[in-house]
Formats: sequence, structure tokens, C-alpha cells
Amino acid sequence: KAGVTQTPRYLIKTRGQQVTLSCSPISGHRSVSWYQQTPGQGLQFLFEYFSETQRNKGNFPGRFSGRQFSNSRSEMNVSTLELGDSALYLCASSLVGLAATGELFFGEGSRLTVL
Amino acid sequence: GQQLNQSPQSMFIQEGEDVSMNCTSSSIFNTWLWYKQDPGEGPVLLIALYKAGELTSNGRLTAQFGITRKDSFLNISASIPSDVGIYFCAGRFEWGSQGNLIFGKGTKLSVKP
Repeated sequence: KAGVTQTPRYLIKTRGQQVTLSCSPISGHRSVSWYQQTPGQGLQFLFEYFSETQRNKGNFPGRFSGRQFSNSRSEMNVSTLELGDSALYLCASSLVGLAATGELFFGEGSRLTVL
Repeated sequence: GQQLNQSPQSMFIQEGEDVSMNCTSSSIFNTWLWYKQDPGEGPVLLIALYKAGELTSNGRLTAQFGITRKDSFLNISASIPSDVGIYFCAGRFEWGSQGNLIFGKGTKLSVKP
């Protein structure tokens, strides 16, 4: 069974630009969560989508947004990039979502560098 | 907001040694989980705990859900080189139709030089 696929794996942007990251969950999984991972802050929850609806959102500014499509694939977007947005962005899928389980399957992440 | 205090932050292991790490919180969680992350990869679930007091093993790994629901520990027995990596504890809580998973900052296991 194919795992969680994230694209792109690596990208470099400059301040002020915007970026879109993509995540394809495991087939049949309806929940996709996004996390930001940095050395200083660790894994920080961004948001969770379940059946195309945002269920929960972490404490990130409105520049961070996401969506989920009918095939459960998800995208997250960061607008007006800042240097501090440099991080590994991890996507995780689950069958039933965080309201019922913490058993997540993570992708390998998209490493964003903002110059 | 909820925070998890994971310790130690890092440790060096020698093959064959037993390893212990723990996680504490001021908040109660419904589920405690332990993940491992290898370089260049996403975290992988090792053990999930669902009931206070529960003790669960996965091969050489053993984890417990604290009685107060505010802590958990992970033991690795007879460590081997492939145990090197970063271990994260995570606590899950739920309210209504929502849930959230909070991660500790990780324990980095390295091989003793």
C-alpha cells in the first residue's frame, strides 16, 4: 500500500513569495494533518482536514492556509513568506482523524528554505 | 496551551544498553503515543497507549501510560545501532468532533563515540 506522498521534497523561496505544498494521503484515509517542524519549536500543529472540511487549526497566522480535495489530497499554502517560515512541513494521514486517533502516517516532508 | 516536557533532550547509547525516556504534561491526555524519526524521513509510530496504567510492548520497546494521564515513558532494551534517531512523545486530546496531537521536543539518541 502506497504511503503518504509529499511534493515537492525541497524548495527554496525568497521573502515575500508564496508557496504551495501538496500531500497525497494513504488510499482510503480521509484525514490529513499538517505540521511544521523546526529545530527550536519541534513539531507544531498547523491544521487538520477531514472530508474536505477544516476541523481544527493551530496557532499560526492567516498566511498559512490549506484545503482538501474530494480525493482527500491536500494542499497547504503559505503567502508572503518570512525567513522564520523555513522549516520541514510534514503531512500526516489517518483513517478517522485526530478526534478518534493519534495514529498518524507521516510523509517524508517538504523542506522549505526562505532566503 | 498544552505543552509536553520530554527528557532527556539527548543521550548517547552503547550497543546493548537499556534506554529510558519520559514525557510529562500539566494536561490530561486521552492517548499517549511514541514516534521515531530517522534523518530525512517523517516520524513513524512505535507504540500507542489508550488507557491510564496501560503497559505495551513492541519488540524491545516498552511504553506506559501514566496513571495520572499526564505522563508516559518509553524504554528500549538492549539497544542496537539502528535505534539511533529522534524519539517523540505525543499526547492526544479530543473535544466534540475535534482532536489535537501535541508533540514533545524529542529525545535524540546517538551512538556513544
